[in-house]
Amino acid sequence: AQSVTQPDIHITVSEGASLELRCNYSYGATPYLFWYVQSPGQGLQLLLKYFSGDTLVQGIKGFEAEFKRSQSSFNLRKPSVHWSDAAEYFCAVGRMDSSYKLIFGSGTRLLVRP
Amino acid sequence: NAGVTQTPKFQVLKTGQSMTLQCAQDMNHNSMYWYRQDPGMGLRLIYYSASEGTTDKGEVPNGYNVSRLNKREFSLRLESAAPSQTSVYFCASSEANRDRNFGPGTRLTVT
Repeated sequence: AQSVTQPDIHITVSEGASLELRCNYSYGATPYLFWYVQSPGQGLQLLLKYFSGDTLVQGIKGFEAEFKRSQSSFNLRKPSVHWSDAAEYFCAVGRMDSSYKLIFGSGTRLLVRP
Repeated sequence: NAGVTQTPKFQVLKTGQSMTLQCAQDMNHNSMYWYRQDPGMGLRLIYYSASEGTTDKGEVPNGYNVSRLNKREFSLRLESAAPSQTSVYFCASSEANRDRNFGPGTRLTVT
């Protein structure tokens, strides 16, 4: 069965520091992979996605993620965090076949120290 | 373009009451979804509609029904609300099995 693990429930970083949020998935086929961000009281906004091709994917707001098939990972990175990046981040995995099920991780809440 | 809109934004129900959550999208997407979000559990799929005229169960369909009214609208009905249905509900749409565009959510409390 598909599953997505975000091992860090909370992460705190200082403004200007680099960030890496971890995402591991369990899947028997080539996945679609996504990162979403959710600000308090808001819906989810797509940061970036991987379908195929280059394994390093660039997204909005200066975020990037790297698909590593050998490690079943799709970690999200940002070189310099801004206070406005404080939010909850969700990794999700979907199937490339006709299934419409997108499995979400439980989320990582990012706190930014001034 | 408004994207995905949801009504109401907030709702409080008593156990046993019924209600319908409304969702509409203006992106001409074929697929629409209803998710619920609970603390520490991410988003779980309740029902989805791959295209107009079709609906299918997701991970947690019990206690819910849906209607794909037309290509734009996809409603979620709670026939007899229970405290376990206290949650934040998100509607989303997509073109085929691609990234989801989410609405702002409905915060539902069942007492």
